[in-house]
Formats: sequence, C-alpha cells, structure tokens
Amino acid sequence: DIVMTQSPDSLAVSLGERATINCKSSQSVSYSSNSQNYLAWYQQKPGQPPKLLIYWASTRESGVPDRFSGSGSGTDFTLTISSLQAEDVAVYYCQQYYSDPPPGTFGQGTKVEIK
Amino acid sequence: EVQVLESGGGLVQPGGSLRLSCAASGFTFSTYAMSWVRLAPGKGLEWVSVISGSGDKTYYADSVKGRFTISRDNSKNTLYLQMNSLRAEDTAVFYCVKHKEAQWLRNAFDIWGQGTMVSVSS
Repeated sequence: DIVMTQSPDSLAVSLGERATINCKSSQSVSYSSNSQNYLAWYQQKPGQPPKLLIYWASTRESGVPDRFSGSGSGTDFTLTISSLQAEDVAVYYCQQYYSDPPPGTFGQGTKVEIK
Repeated sequence: EVQVLESGGGLVQPGGSLRLSCAASGFTFSTYAMSWVRLAPGKGLEWVSVISGSGDKTYYADSVKGRFTISRDNSKNTLYLQMNSLRAEDTAVFYCVKHKEAQWLRNAFDIWGQGTMVSVSS
C-alpha cells in the first residue's frame, strides 16, 4: 500500500499569513502515460463532510478561493493557503488515487488553527 | 443540484450486519464510479470501497475485504454497502462519495454526503 504522510500534524498561523502543508507518498503517484499526479486535497470543517479543494495535484476545484493552491510531483506535494482566513480553520487531508487497483489512501490529516 | 444522501447507520453488536444506502440525484448516476469513505473517531479518512459505474468492478480496502460488499442499482440511482461480521474498529461515520470524472475509478471525490454513523458495540 502507498502510505501518505502529512506534515505537520497541526499548525497555527496568524490571520493573513501563509499556511503550508506537506504531503509525502511512499512511492510515486505520478503516472507517466498521462503525466498526471494522482493527488487530491480536501478540507474538513467540524461537523461537515470533507470538501474537495485540489485534484490532479494542482487543479483547483470550481468555487474554491484562489488563495488555495497545490503543487508538487512524484512523491512530494504541498497545499498552500496564501493568506489564512478565519473560515479556513479545518483539518486538511491529502489523498492518493494512483493505486491500481484502487482504493487509494489518505494522509493522517493536518489541523490548521488561528494563532 | 448534485447530491447524495446516506441512510442505514445505527448501533449494532459485534459480529452483526448492517446495510447502508446512498440515494443520488442531480447527475447521470450510471456514468460515475462511486465510493464509500469512513472516518473513525479520532482517526483519519479511510477509503473503504469503490464500484464502477456499471457495477462490474468492485474493490475494497484490506481492512474490510471479505466482510463488506459494495453494490449499486442504477435503475434506482442508489449505492449500497452491505457490512457483515462487524467489529468495534468499524465504528465510524460512513460517507457516500461521487467520483469527479465520469468513468474514472481512480479519481478524486467531488460530492460527499453528510455521512451516516455506524457504531459497533455490545
């Protein structure tokens, strides 16, 4: 199984500052035939289901604010919130959907709070 | 509006069975793979099972293989998860999720239900 490891487990950031979450996979989740990275990011607020933010490692889902961005390739990926807002307090998960056959796996989650 | 709505959760004794249902609406159900994802108390998300749009392909996490069965009825726009031989460690909120891109089994999830709670305890 591909293991996804996020860092840090939690972070506190001041309003308006940048928040960076890392996600590392135990093997590459990049598929050479289509040059895609099979990696997504989700946001989960208390009492709510997760919400898709980013897919194919860097494609922002429709309606997601542009302060959220994804980057990386192969085994190392990053979710960046460029200017943290109060409504961004949540747990963030990365997910690989590269495994064949599926299902894939999630990271353990990163809790983002306001400093 | 595209949405999915789970039902069927509850309290069950260890070794018991439960069937979850997920009613889908607002999209052409049969063209999308669907999955079940769970969130156990104090734990992270776990992708439990996935089924192709036509229902001919199904896959499971090792933790539930041989105990859980995913299925779908495209005439009723409904997804199911039959859970047998339930264990305490199966206690979780179970989410029904729609895959983002038609026909893709290996895909991100763009629509999540509110979840249904399954508690396994004596």
